[in-house]
Amino acid sequence: QLQLQESGPGLVKPSETLSLTCTVSGGSISSSSYYWGWIRQPPGKGLEWIGSIYYSGNTNDNPPLKSRVTMSVDTSKNQVYLKLSSVTAADTAVYYCARHEGRRALVRGFDPWGQGTLVTVSS
Amino acid sequence: QSELTQPPSVSGAPGQRVTISCTGSSSNIGAGYDVHWYQQLPGTAPKLLIYRNSNRPSGVPDRFSGSKSGTSASLAITGLQAEDEADYYCQSYDSGLSASVFGGGTKLTVL
Repeated sequence: QLQLQESGPGLVKPSETLSLTCTVSGGSISSSSYYWGWIRQPPGKGLEWIGSIYYSGNTNDNPPLKSRVTMSVDTSKNQVYLKLSSVTAADTAVYYCARHEGRRALVRGFDPWGQGTLVTVSS
Repeated sequence: QSELTQPPSVSGAPGQRVTISCTGSSSNIGAGYDVHWYQQLPGTAPKLLIYRNSNRPSGVPDRFSGSKSGTSASLAITGLQAEDEADYYCQSYDSGLSASVFGGGTKLTVL
């Protein structure tokens, strides 16, 4: 059974870079057709797609965040990474990683999801 | 402001039927892009509930059903149960934004 687990610092200072890791178990991130997405949810608010990456390194980013987002993969570790630069309090959220099939997440949506990790931006 | 509009809240008594709408535009649902639905129980990650408008993943009860027409989609829940109390989100793709988009979410309260 495929499982995803996010990890990273729970507290980041304003203007610094948020760095998260998504570790995939029970399957390979190199599986063809599958992308690995990042989605966030500010406390008490809705979901926002941040971007997705294919195991080859090809990425799709949400335009409003594109200039601050860097995603990468390490197939040897079966891990996906997210970096979000110049963070502000508005970036405080639970960050999820999730798998999707096809570039636009239209085949079966995002499934499964990791449990999420809360990142607070504060000095 | 989400590209997909959902009612903030809906409610129903146990055993009743409720529907949740997801209204889009010509650049997303109206463009023919499929809609997925997610259930988020309190304190947990979202879970895929309906994919490609009306398909249920294995393990999802047939009390949950989805449909799509024009620029909108709907999620229906029949035989409402207390355990259905959760937030529900729709998701699609927007060609104008070149992005996956989510609805703002609907909180279902079981009275």
